[in-house]
Amino acid sequence: SQTIHQWPATLVQPVGSPLSLECTVEGTSNPNLYWYRQAAGRGLQLLFYSVGIGQISSEVPQNLSASRPQDRQFILSSKKLLLSDSGFYLCAWSSPLPEAFFGQGTRLTVV
Amino acid sequence: AQTVTQSQPEMSVQEAETVTLSCTYDTSESNYYLFWYKQPPSRQMILVIRQEAYKQQNATENRFSVNFQKAAKSFSLKISDSQLGDTAMYFCALTINNNDMRFGAGTRLTVKP
Repeated sequence: SQTIHQWPATLVQPVGSPLSLECTVEGTSNPNLYWYRQAAGRGLQLLFYSVGIGQISSEVPQNLSASRPQDRQFILSSKKLLLSDSGFYLCAWSSPLPEAFFGQGTRLTVV
Repeated sequence: AQTVTQSQPEMSVQEAETVTLSCTYDTSESNYYLFWYKQPPSRQMILVIRQEAYKQQNATENRFSVNFQKAAKSFSLKISDSQLGDTAMYFCALTINNNDMRFGAGTRLTVKP
């Protein structure tokens, strides 16, 4: 069966520090991969999605970037975090069915 | 670009009663998928129900059913016999060509004992 791993679960980082959140999927090949951000009590904002290795689509110009170095690995990064980057980050995958399956999420607090 | 709108930020229902959550969307595509996801306090996103746009029959999953009105671009979720465990944020979502998925702002549902 397919599983998705996202880590870390919680992260507290100072302003200006770098960020790396990692997500891996098991049990499927060539999945579509997504990064979402959820502000407190609000909906999910699509940040990036990828349909294949090295193929990244960015939805919102911002302080973040994404990479897909391997088929089932998706990384969310920042060189210098801002206070406004705080939030709950969710990784998800889909394929071949259209529904997305989500990781447990990472609560990021920038201080 | 496609958009999803949920106009009810919060709703409440008595245990065992029925509640309907609203969702409207906009897309120029004719083939797409619609979903309802549940996010309990654990914040784990859980798929509740799926609807294919090409199917006229409304999807059902146990106590959950949808009213899909394609012409009106409306996709509401009905929860029957509400249970305390249904308390959660509910998100409506739309995907086209399985390349990205857009979510509404969510509706916070509270089931009262």
